[in-house]
Amino acid sequence: AQSVTQPDIHITVSEGASLELRCNYSYGATPYLFWYVQSPGQGLQLLLKYFSGDTLVQGIKGFEAEFKRSQSSFNLRKPSVHWSDAAEYFCAVGGGYGGSQGNLIFGKGTKLSVKP
Amino acid sequence: EAQVTQNPRYLITVTGKKLTVTCSQNMNHEYMSWYRQDPGLGLRQIYYSMNVEVTDKGDVPEGYKVSRKEKRNFPLILESPSPNQTSLYFCASSLIGDSNQPQHFGDGTRLSIL
Repeated sequence: AQSVTQPDIHITVSEGASLELRCNYSYGATPYLFWYVQSPGQGLQLLLKYFSGDTLVQGIKGFEAEFKRSQSSFNLRKPSVHWSDAAEYFCAVGGGYGGSQGNLIFGKGTKLSVKP
Repeated sequence: EAQVTQNPRYLITVTGKKLTVTCSQNMNHEYMSWYRQDPGLGLRQIYYSMNVEVTDKGDVPEGYKVSRKEKRNFPLILESPSPNQTSLYFCASSLIGDSNQPQHFGDGTRLSIL
């Protein structure tokens, strides 16, 4: 079955510390992978996406993610967290049939808190 | 400004009273979708549409209807709302092309069904 697992429900890091949010997926075909961020009261904003090619992808706000096919993972990283990064982060996988995302499958999210 | 607009943003209503949540996008996107977000469950897709007059069920379509009469609009209809449909709802849209296009999300509609 297709699924996305974000093992950490809630993570707290100190401002300036590095961050890694984990994402594992189960998908029968070539996955198209996304990370979204949701600030309180807001919709979801795309941070970055992976379709093919270089397995290390750069996104907005200083985030990056690495696709590891052997581990079925797509972890999100940031070298130095800012207080404004406090939000909820969602990993998602899509199949890309016909060029559309069709049924995009989301993980349950990881809430990030940032200590001053 | 490119955006996905949902209305209303908040609604409290009673069981059985039909309601419609509107969604409109100004980006000429072919693809539109509705999700509901519940604590601990993440986002789950309700319905999606690949183009005008083309709609299909997502993971949790029961109790919902949609229509796609125009490209820009994709309303979500709850014919007889029940308390288990109390949730935060998001509309999203994207292009359909040679590669996967990211979805653009509205700001959400919080529905409370009493």
